[in-house]
Amino acid sequence: KQEVTQIPAALSVPEGENLVLNCSFTDSAIYNLQWFRQDPGKGLTSLLLIQSSQREQTSGRLNASLDKSSGRSTLYIAASQPGDSATYLCASETSGSRLTFGEGTQLTVNP
Amino acid sequence: DGGITQSPKYLFRKEGQNVTLSCEQNLNHDAMYWYRQDPGQGLRLIYYSQIVNDFQKGDIAEGYSVSREKKESFPLTVTSAQKNPTAFYLCASSIGAADTQYFGPGTRLTVL
Repeated sequence: KQEVTQIPAALSVPEGENLVLNCSFTDSAIYNLQWFRQDPGKGLTSLLLIQSSQREQTSGRLNASLDKSSGRSTLYIAASQPGDSATYLCASETSGSRLTFGEGTQLTVNP
Repeated sequence: DGGITQSPKYLFRKEGQNVTLSCEQNLNHDAMYWYRQDPGQGLRLIYYSQIVNDFQKGDIAEGYSVSREKKESFPLTVTSAQKNPTAFYLCASSIGAADTQYFGPGTRLTVL
């Protein structure tokens, strides 16, 4: 059974800092790895999706990498802003359209 | 506007009652999903449907039921058999399997 772990559980940084969020998974037989953002009491917003054949995806200040052999993905946020404060969730998709989520990293960017 | 809607936003239920959560999408997506989120935790899959009139159990299906009679709609019923139903429920849809999932705003269910 796939297990997804995110470290750290919470992170607080000053505005402007570059940061990395980590995600690890136990079963490397994945179709893709997705990163989501969740604001308090809200649904999830998809940020990036990396197919199993890809190594990374970029969108604006966000860059996500995938290393299937080591079971790891990272989300890099450049020049962080207070508006980036949210919980970031990673999820791996295995067979049968099943997403397995990590518990999330709660990010606070201080002005 | 295209998107996924869930209603109601907040729902209160007495113990022993069944309750149905609504999920509608106008994105023409084939696949739809129901997740449960508990405080400080990630999402867990309850049920999913890849096509109309077909659905499969997820990791925590006990005490829940679904139907998929229309492509646009995937209602979730929380039955009295669900022992700890208080949670945040999220519905999602995707074009197909292994595609990006788009989420609704969620329904917060509280059992009194």
